[in-house]
This record gives sequence, C-alpha cells and structure tokens, in this order.
Amino acid sequence: ETGVTQSPTHLIKTRGQQVTLRCSSQSGHNTVSWYQQALGQGPQFIFQYYREEENGRGNFPPRFSGLQFPNYSSELNVNALELDDSALYLCASSSTGGASYEQYFGPGTRLTVT
Amino acid sequence: SQQGEEDPQALSIQEGENATMNCSYKTSINNLQWYRQNSGRGLVHLILIRSNEREKHSGRLRVTLDTSKKSSSLLITASRAADTASYFCASRKAAGNKLTFGGGTRVLVKP
Repeated sequence: ETGVTQSPTHLIKTRGQQVTLRCSSQSGHNTVSWYQQALGQGPQFIFQYYREEENGRGNFPPRFSGLQFPNYSSELNVNALELDDSALYLCASSSTGGASYEQYFGPGTRLTVT
Repeated sequence: SQQGEEDPQALSIQEGENATMNCSYKTSINNLQWYRQNSGRGLVHLILIRSNEREKHSGRLRVTLDTSKKSSSLLITASRAADTASYFCASRKAAGNKLTFGGGTRVLVKP
C-alpha cells in the first residue's frame, strides 16, 4: 500500500456527461500526477500539479482539467465524455515538483463510458 | 503516444526460472524506472536506474541500462507465482516532470 487513495473505484458514465475523479496524495507529498491507462496499454501522462499549479501537461484536450487543493489532494475532471475515455485513471504523488524521481501510485479509478 | 517499447509483450515461464524483459526508449533520459502492475490495479515502483548507471540490483531484480542503445532490461531471478503481473518501464527526461511508459510485458509464472 502506497498511502495514495483514489475515489471512486469504479464509475459508469454516458457519452457527453462529465466526471470528477479524486485523489489523496501520500502524507508529505506536494505533487500529484494523473495518468490514463487504456486496456492493454501503458499509462499515458495527462498532467501534473505542484503546489496547486499545473506543472506540465501531456497530449490531452482541454476537456481534461484538474485541480489541486491546499492539502495537496487533487481532482481530475473530464467534460463531454467520449467512448475512448474509458480507461483506468491513475494518480501518483511525489515529494517535490519536477525533480522527484519516484512516484507512488494509487489503485486507480476504472471509468467506463457507454 | 508512448515513447517506450517493451519486448516481449507476453512471457510465460515456470516457477524457479528467470524472466527477462527489455525496454527501448527514444530520447535522452535522466532515469529509467520499472513498475509492476497486478490485474489492472495501481503501479508498484520496483527499481530506478539513473542515466549514469549501467546496472543495479534489488533483491531478485537486476536492471541494466545502455544509453548508447537507448535500452534497458529487467531480469527477475528465481521467479515465483506471485511475480505474475504486468511490468512497465518508464523513462524520465533530463528536463521534464513526467514519466513516459512503455506498453508493458505481461508475465505469467506457472507453479
């Protein structure tokens, strides 16, 4: 167990809806990264938050957005859901912004879009 | 798109045998990390090797890095049924804050 928690565990949404996923970082960590993992593939970087600011973004459209709160927990919001958004969403926390080496992953949220 | 490619995509071995998997990446890196994932759950960090290192050991794990070939290998010795999982390499660029993952190797260790 890494101390990183995510909620909910599973979620089913309809195309066009909006979804919010939540992540609580490990104690002492101030950086949260979000990844999308499609079935049978490796995780792809969505974005990272460091001290409540976005600190890097992958190749994802603007309908993927996020927040980080003063306690360093984070949310991932996806608007106008598409079928291809069905995936496992992983968050990872680490102790410093861009310089951290090891990321601690949560168990993930499985999102199914129908 | 993913930077890394892993080989093989799947591996089936008997308990006690060694498992070797390879990873290639495309750009200069600061470090390369290996993760394990069980049944589509969260990723567990196994080992990190820095760009100035060539080999690293941790328990039954041995990782090599060849920056001239932009490749790495993970060796699991004396495998156990509990090692059954997907294994991913993830590279971190010299100036960057994200991990770029390969497609993974699915390892099945038969008892």
